This record gives sequence, C-alpha cells and structure tokens, in this order.
Amino acid sequence: QAVVTQEPSLTVSPGGTVTLTCGSSTGAVTGGQYPYWFQQKPGQAPRTLIYDTSNKHSWTPARFSGSLLGGKAALTLSGARPEDEAEYYCLLSYSGARVFGGGTKLTVL
Amino acid sequence: QVQLVQSGAEVKKPGAPVKVSCKASGYTSTRYYTHWVRQAPGQGLEWMGIINPSGGSTSYSQKLQDRVIMTRDTSTSTVYMELSSLRSEDTAVYYCVSGIGGRFEYWGQGTLITVSS
Repeated sequence: QAVVTQEPSLTVSPGGTVTLTCGSSTGAVTGGQYPYWFQQKPGQAPRTLIYDTSNKHSWTPARFSGSLLGGKAALTLSGARPEDEAEYYCLLSYSGARVFGGGTKLTVL
Repeated sequence: QVQLVQSGAEVKKPGAPVKVSCKASGYTSTRYYTHWVRQAPGQGLEWMGIINPSGGSTSYSQKLQDRVIMTRDTSTSTVYMELSSLRSEDTAVYYCVSGIGGRFEYWGQGTLITVSS
C-alpha cells in the first residue's frame, strides 16, 4: 500500500501564512488522485476543507486554499487565526483505494 | 440540511463482531456513497472502505477486507459497517462520511468501539 506523508508539525504566527504538504510514496501527486484536506480539532469529528485538489465547500473559510506544488498536494493558510490551530489530514486516491496521510499538527502561536 | 447519525458506543470482547449504523437525512441516499473511516485513540485517520448505496457495491481497504462488510438499507437510508473478529487494536472511533459520487463531504458524529476483555 502507498504511503502518504505530511509534516508532523508546523507553527504559524497569527496573521501569517503557512503551507502544509502531502506527498506520495509512488511519485508525484496528480490531480487524478483527487487530493483532499481535512481539519480536525480535539474531541471533534473531522471536517472536509478541500476536495479534488483545490475545490472548497460552502463552509470552508476563504483563507484556506489547495493546490499542487512541487509534486505534492498543498494546503495554504493565509492570515492564520487562533481557531485554525488543529490537526490537518490529507487523503489521496489510488485506483479507488484511499489513503490518509499521518496528519500535521498546526500550532498558531 | 444533511445529517449522518451513527449508533452509540459499544464495548466488545476480543473475537466478537460489531455492527455500526449510519442513518442519513436531508438527501436522496442513492446518489451519496458512504465511506467508513476509523481513528484509534491518539492516532490518525484510516480509510476502511466505501459502499455505493445504489446496488450495494463495495470496495474495502486491503488491510481490513477479510473482516469488514458494508451493507445498506435504502428503505431507511441507513448504511451499516460490520467488523468481525475484533482485537484490541480495533478500539477506535468509527466515522461514516458521505458525499455525491464518493466525495468526503458530510461526516457522522463518530461511534466509539472499545475492544476489551
């Protein structure tokens, strides 16, 4: 099974910008792997922020954006707020099978 | 307003099976596929599989394919996930997640399954 890799932890200052990445053990991440990004706060169910690389749901704050960057999927947070402190997970599709990354703990400090 | 309501927490003995339900409201169920995702305590998310409510076709993770069965009851808009031969490492919160055509869109509240003798 493929392995999906994320930074274990990142820190961003309030108002700052940070980019989280999502890599694949099989090579460059492509749009055909329909990258997803999820946010999870302690004690809560995850919620979906980004689907199919860069599409947002109606509830996704505008400060979050998704892209492909340097062979990886990327989630960029511009103008970080204290409430963005959370665990972020990406997910990639491999011919129907889905694999989550290990998660990135984002600290806003 | 789409809602997924899951069954309540359970404690199971090793070797027993468990069946978790996920009842949908607010959408036509045959358009929305349902994934199951689990999360062990303090750990990350793990994809378990997906069911297409129209016809009931399924696809499971390689790791769990010998022990998991996903079914649906279209008359009640309910999807079920049954996991057999439980072991301690199956202790986790189990989530259903639904969306059009298999998107991860709406999440259930989660069901804690504890496996303990």
